[in-house]
Amino acid sequence: GAGVSQSPSNKVTEKGKDVELRCDPISGHTALYWYRQSLGQGLEFLIYFQGNSAPDKSGLPSDRFSAERTGGSVSTLTIQRTQQEDSAVYLCASSLLTGQETQYFGPGTRLLVL
Amino acid sequence: SQQGEEDPQALSIQEGENATMNCSYKTSINNLQWYRQNSGRGLVHLILIRSNEREKHSGRLRVTLDTSKKSSSLLITASRAADTASYFCATGYTSGTYKYIFGTGTRLKVLA
Repeated sequence: GAGVSQSPSNKVTEKGKDVELRCDPISGHTALYWYRQSLGQGLEFLIYFQGNSAPDKSGLPSDRFSAERTGGSVSTLTIQRTQQEDSAVYLCASSLLTGQETQYFGPGTRLLVL
Repeated sequence: SQQGEEDPQALSIQEGENATMNCSYKTSINNLQWYRQNSGRGLVHLILIRSNEREKHSGRLRVTLDTSKKSSSLLITASRAADTASYFCATGYTSGTYKYIFGTGTRLKVLA
């Protein structure tokens, strides 16, 4: 079956513009995570969706970042008024139930803010 | 701050040798996972060890967990050039909701 997919693969934008990053999790997976990885660094937790529960947004770095998950499936991460420090790889992962199992990662979106 | 810290940050070995990477963490965990990342893109799950387990094997991989020392190790035996990648530990814990905290990774280079 299909794995986690993300689009676009690469995104170059100008400082101050808004960007939307998309994640399609594995069908039937109820848990979905967004992470950010800066060059040569580990993964930074951003947000966690679990079923119909309110998302855990505790990792979002500022109010310029938001995410939604429609119909318990596709998720969109939106960054408003992008800054150069937002440049990173944004990774999405899904897992079957609670998140207490294996996370399956997408290939990521590489964002470059000029 | 990072929950998981990997050690060493970088490791270079010859093909056929064993590679050992360590991960330390700070708080109580539900489980710990190891992932591999090639070329800075998506991560591939390697192995999951639960907090009540001490050792797990998968092929050439051996993971140990010492909850008293809050540490884990990943051993890759008989390494191959294809094992060249970054390896991350991820500690799963409950804080309101369920979260994973990833370490900064170990960059492994296996020389042919």
